[in-house]
Amino acid sequence: DTAVSQTPKYLVTQMGNDKSIKCEQNLGHDTMYWYKQDSKKFLKIMFSYNNKELIINETVPNRFSPKSPDKAHLNLHINSLELGDSAVYFCASSQPGIGKNIQYFGAGTRLSVL
Amino acid sequence: AQKVTQAQTEISVVEKEDVTLDCVYETRDTTYYLFWYKQPPSGELVFLIRRNSFDEQNEISGRYSWNFQKSTSSFNFTITASQVVDSAVYFCALSDMNTGFQKLVFGTGTRLLVSP
Repeated sequence: DTAVSQTPKYLVTQMGNDKSIKCEQNLGHDTMYWYKQDSKKFLKIMFSYNNKELIINETVPNRFSPKSPDKAHLNLHINSLELGDSAVYFCASSQPGIGKNIQYFGAGTRLSVL
Repeated sequence: AQKVTQAQTEISVVEKEDVTLDCVYETRDTTYYLFWYKQPPSGELVFLIRRNSFDEQNEISGRYSWNFQKSTSSFNFTITASQVVDSAVYFCALSDMNTGFQKLVFGTGTRLLVSP
């Protein structure tokens, strides 16, 4: 069983559309994250949720809205897609606590905005 | 502010050569974690190792070894007897030691190409 799974793996869409990426983890972790990897492979955190509560919100346009229906799921909804949103989006999870705190990543979702 | 520098953009070696990937970090925190992740051509991010700031012992895992030196703020990664399957982008990352959650700050990655 995949520990952190994201769907879809590839997403091709037109500018101006709204799309969602889903993420689920079966590791029993309390904390989940979204990272963006740009075309130069640079990885940057976007959001983090702990037990369904938003705890990290980097300077991300408010067209991006994360939703956590329960602690095993963290979905990313993007409104009015722009060309610059094209990237690979990674979901991750970790368990807080001394000696823990290792983030495990999903396989990524490659978003292409045309 | 935290920062991770991986000055080597790309390294090419021939199989069986040893290779060292450099990582230099900056942080004002007195306690922190350092990580290495591997991103093979298939695209996923694979966790390799985590070290905490108060444990400077070097670590070896098979052909992989890590050298952590606080005095030079470095956390270098050596692959001994490289293999074609080691070809990937390798990321060094840093986070604080907040037990609730951390923001991983990544370096720009080093692409390793191992040819037969």
